[in-house]
Amino acid sequence: AQSVTQPDIHITVSEGASLELRCNYSYGATPYLFWYVQSPGQGLQLLLKYFSGDTLVQGIKGFEAEFKRSQSSFNLRKPSVHWSDAAEYFCAVGAVISSGSARQLTFGSGTQLTVLP
Amino acid sequence: NAGVTQTPKFQVLKTGQSMTLQCAQDMNHEYMSWYRQDPGMGLRLIHYSVGAGITDQGEVPNGYNVSRSTTEDFPLRLLSAAPSQTSVYFCASSYSFSPRGQYEQYFGPGTRLTVT
Repeated sequence: AQSVTQPDIHITVSEGASLELRCNYSYGATPYLFWYVQSPGQGLQLLLKYFSGDTLVQGIKGFEAEFKRSQSSFNLRKPSVHWSDAAEYFCAVGAVISSGSARQLTFGSGTQLTVLP
Repeated sequence: NAGVTQTPKFQVLKTGQSMTLQCAQDMNHEYMSWYRQDPGMGLRLIHYSVGAGITDQGEVPNGYNVSRSTTEDFPLRLLSAAPSQTSVYFCASSYSFSPRGQYEQYFGPGTRLTVT
C-alpha cells in the first residue's frame, strides 16, 4: 500500500528566508504527487502536482517541488517566505483504491509552518 | 461558482445521537469524497462516489453512511455518534473523466465535529 511521510511536524523560518519542506513516499509504480496547503480554519488548496515529465514543477504562490525517484522524495521549496505562507502543508500521493478502480489521495501527516517577522 | 460547500461549520453531539453532514458542489464534478482529519494523522478517506447512485468505502468507513442521489450532493451520515468520531470532516470533489482528473480534488472548508 502507498504511504507518505512528512518527517517535520513543525518548521519555523524567518520572513524572507528560504524554505524546504520534506516529503517521502512509498508507492510501487510511478507516483502522482501533490502538495496542498491548509490555512487556519480553511479547507485544503492544491499548490502543485506532478504527473510525469519535468521533475521540477512550479505551483502557485511561488512554490516549487522536485521529484527525485532515487530518493522517493518530493520536497517543496520556496526561495523567500512571506508571512502569509504560515499554514499547514500536506504532501499526498495518488493511487488506485484497492477495492475498485477509483482514485484516492493518501496524505502525509502534515508540516506546520510558522513564519517569524 | 461557490465550489464545494459544507454545512454545518461546527457541531456538538452527544454519544449515540445521529446527524448528517451536508456537502454540495456546483462544478458538475462526478467524483466526490469524504475525509476526516485528525491531529498527526493527515486526512483519511471515509467514503467516495464516482457518480450519482454509486458509492464505495474508503480507508475508515465504520460508523458512517453515504448516498449520492444527485451529482451535486453527497451527504455523510453518522449513525450513532461516538467520541472517536470527534474530528474535522472535509468533503472534496473532482472530475472523473480521466485518472489524473480524479486526483485534482477541490476541498470544502470543513465541518468541526465534537462528540461528548
